Amino acid sequence: GAVVSQHPSWVICKSGTSVKIECRSLDFQATTMFWYRQFPKQSLMLMATSNEGSKATYEQGVEKDKFLINHASLTLSTLTVTSAHPEDSSFYICSARGSGPSSYEQYFGPGTRLTVT
Amino acid sequence: AQSVAQPEDQVNVAEGNPLTVKCTYSVSGNPYLFWYVQYPNRGLQFLLKYITGDNLVKGSYGFEAEFNKSQTSFHLKKPSALVSDSALYFCAVRDKQGFQKLVFGTGTRLLVSP
Repeated sequence: GAVVSQHPSWVICKSGTSVKIECRSLDFQATTMFWYRQFPKQSLMLMATSNEGSKATYEQGVEKDKFLINHASLTLSTLTVTSAHPEDSSFYICSARGSGPSSYEQYFGPGTRLTVT
Repeated sequence: AQSVAQPEDQVNVAEGNPLTVKCTYSVSGNPYLFWYVQYPNRGLQFLLKYITGDNLVKGSYGFEAEFNKSQTSFHLKKPSALVSDSALYFCAVRDKQGFQKLVFGTGTRLLVSP
């Protein structure tokens, strides 16, 4: 099946700094990418959706200026958490979907554990 | 709006016994339904999907799910559970509007005891 990678797998940063998380589709072109956030023992919360070359569409309640999403190519999307605070600590998961016959499935990255101290 | 419900937070089953993880859906029109599994500190792995066709869908790792339109259910099943099946399972439905995002249930933790 299709592979989605995330980097880094875990990151610790100090409060007030920014951190960037990369999401790559390794063997297919991802026309649409999704960013999720997951709190311990909870379901996935969709943060935003992006199409390649377009601005991301954010879910209600998600601060677009805090969580910057860039989908610059068909294989790469980035999530930048700006001015991070301890409450931003979470597990962030990206997902990618291609086009055509493969568009029914979303492929998920392994996730990035962010800890803000 | 499309939604799925997973009524059980946790399911406990002994190894070798059959397992069922429940999911019901609420959609307009024909649903696109999915099951994913998540192991600790990992992303989601696709198990199976129902788009159309046969109501019994077979997926990865010996799992299967039965689409039941009259009961609006899509329960995940496996004839004989393994300890390694212990994980968090998510049912999802694909939204038909906009970006057609996946809408997830709250998840069910499956614990298979030796």
